[in-house]
Amino acid sequence: QITLKESGPTLVKPTQTLTLTCTFSGFSLSTSGVGVGWIRQPPGKALEWLALIYWDDDKRYSPSLKSRLTITKDTSKNQVVLTMTNMDPVDTATYYCAHSPRAARPYFDYWGQGTLVTVSS
Amino acid sequence: DIQMTQSPSSLSASVGDRVTITCQASQDISNYLNWYQQKPGKAPKLLIYDASNLETGVPSRFSGSGSGTDFTFTISSLQPEDIATYYCQQYDNLPPWTFGQGTKVEIK
Repeated sequence: QITLKESGPTLVKPTQTLTLTCTFSGFSLSTSGVGVGWIRQPPGKALEWLALIYWDDDKRYSPSLKSRLTITKDTSKNQVVLTMTNMDPVDTATYYCAHSPRAARPYFDYWGQGTLVTVSS
Repeated sequence: DIQMTQSPSSLSASVGDRVTITCQASQDISNYLNWYQQKPGKAPKLLIYDASNLETGVPSRFSGSGSGTDFTFTISSLQPEDIATYYCQQYDNLPPWTFGQGTKVEIK
């Protein structure tokens, strides 16, 4: 059974760096083809894909946010970490991590419950 | 970036009705599209992947079709538990992998 859970601060100040951790079980991020991604959703708005890391440490970022994002993995801990620099109130959103079952044309079949991050001074 | 135009933005239908949602991609994405269901306060749930493949455990009243730029999602007989917002997402070769704006489905 695949499960994922996001953790991190619920409140960050503008200009600060956000660090979110996705802890997962039921699969290994050393298995060929597997990936873990991050997606966010501002309150009342649509979903936005942010980043994806593959089993081989290949990484993909949303071009519009690439300069602010870093995604890393710790296979031994079954964790994926997303950092986002220079946070702004418009970055207020629920942040989800999700499992991707394949490398080519990845999609997300299992999602965490999400964590709401508010950016405010 | 590939833009996904989803319509309608909301709809109201009766229990037992057939419900159809469309998603149009700004360029050819072959069949690399999926459909999610999101209930309030919950994470999205994958219903359909690769345009027409039903995810394991998803009721057969949900279906998807299409290829290229035009896609359709159908609920053959709307049930009260289907009240949710539905999103399409494309995952063609290059990122960003973009979502539609969502369709909120309500019971009339």
